[in-house]
Order: sequence, then C-alpha cells, then structure tokens
Amino acid sequence: QVQLQESGPGLVKPSETLSLTCTVSGGSIRSHYWSWIRQPPGKGLEWIGYVHDTGLTNYNPSLKSRVIILLDTSKNQFSLKLTSVTAADTAVYFCAGSSWTTFYYAGAFDYWGQGGLVTVS
Amino acid sequence: EVVLTQPPGTLSLSPGQRATLSCRATWDIGTNFLAWYQLKPGQAPRLLIYGTSSRATDIPDRFIGSGSGTDFSLTISRVEPEDSAVYYCQQYGQLPWTFGQGTKVEVK
Repeated sequence: QVQLQESGPGLVKPSETLSLTCTVSGGSIRSHYWSWIRQPPGKGLEWIGYVHDTGLTNYNPSLKSRVIILLDTSKNQFSLKLTSVTAADTAVYFCAGSSWTTFYYAGAFDYWGQGGLVTVS
Repeated sequence: EVVLTQPPGTLSLSPGQRATLSCRATWDIGTNFLAWYQLKPGQAPRLLIYGTSSRATDIPDRFIGSGSGTDFSLTISRVEPEDSAVYYCQQYGQLPWTFGQGTKVEVK
C-alpha cells in the first residue's frame, strides 16, 4: 500500500523560501505523476504543480514564477520549493499522486499525504 | 482555467436520506476528467469518483457520480453519519487542474 508523508518546517518567515519534502513508501516513485496541493485556512483546494520522473513538470500559472517541484528517485521523494512567500501562502500543504502511470488519469489523486500546516509569519 | 462551481453552504441530512451535490464547469470537460473527493478535518483527502462515474478502490456503491460536459453530480444514495465531510469536485482535463470550493455535508 502506497503511503505519502510530508515533512518540513511549519513556520516560514515572509520573503523566505518554503521547502517541503514528500516521502513515498510502499511503492516506486517512478513512472507516476506527483503533485503538490494546498488549502489555505477556510478555503478550498488549489493544485500547485506536478513532476514526473522523465523530468516533466507543470505548474499552476498563479504560482509558476515562484515554484519548483523536484523528484529524487534514489530517495523515493519529491519536493516543493516556493520562494518569496507571504501570509497568503499560509496553508495546509498536501502531497498527492496518481496510481495510474498514464497522463490520462494523472490528475485523479488516489494517493495523499496527511498534509502539513505551513504558516508564514 | 476551468472554474468549477459548487453551491456554498451545508447540506444537513438525516441518516438514510439521499444527498445530491452539484458541480458546474465553465468549460466542457467531457465525461472522462471529473473527480470527487471527500475531505474530513485532520485527514488525507479521499478519492471517491474519477472519470465522472467510476468509483475508486474500496468506495461503497452508495456513492454515485454522473454528468457530462459542464454539469456533474455526486449522489450519496443513503447517507451515514460517517459521510459527514466536505466534498470537492475536481477537473483534470485541462491544465491547470482545478477544484470546486466544496460542499459540506452534515449527517446527524
């Protein structure tokens, strides 16, 4: 059974870089699409972007200039870096993925981490 | 981007009643790229439905997805107290992938 676990600081200062890591266990990170999604307090879900082990990435245009998502197959991890953060970036950050290896279903997330609150203050 | 609209507010139901949640898209997303998730506080979101009407693994058959084009629904045929949660629709047919704002279901 594939499990995802987010890790990283829960508090980041304004203008600094938010860095989170997602560790995938119970399965290989290869051939799947892996995403970051966030939920600001009291608001809905926002997709941040995805990475694939071919090196392919895609980011939400609303965050594209500040986001990098990387994959480390040797550690079965993927990471999120969000630069120049402000209070508006305070949110619960989820890592997620799809059990399907085809892009057709890459956006149907059946693997999720528990999420971690990151506060910008 | 495709904006998904879900009615705001809370759907309050008694056990055994039927819940119908709606989701409207600003663009035609066909029938293959719409998903529904259940989100409870402090828990990981759970995929219920993908491809508009296919149930994900281990999802009870009381959860039924339907629709096409721009109008979609999630029906919970007989709600149970454990179904209390916020339900989000999501489209993955066009990048950026987007979610609706969620509909809260309360069963008591």
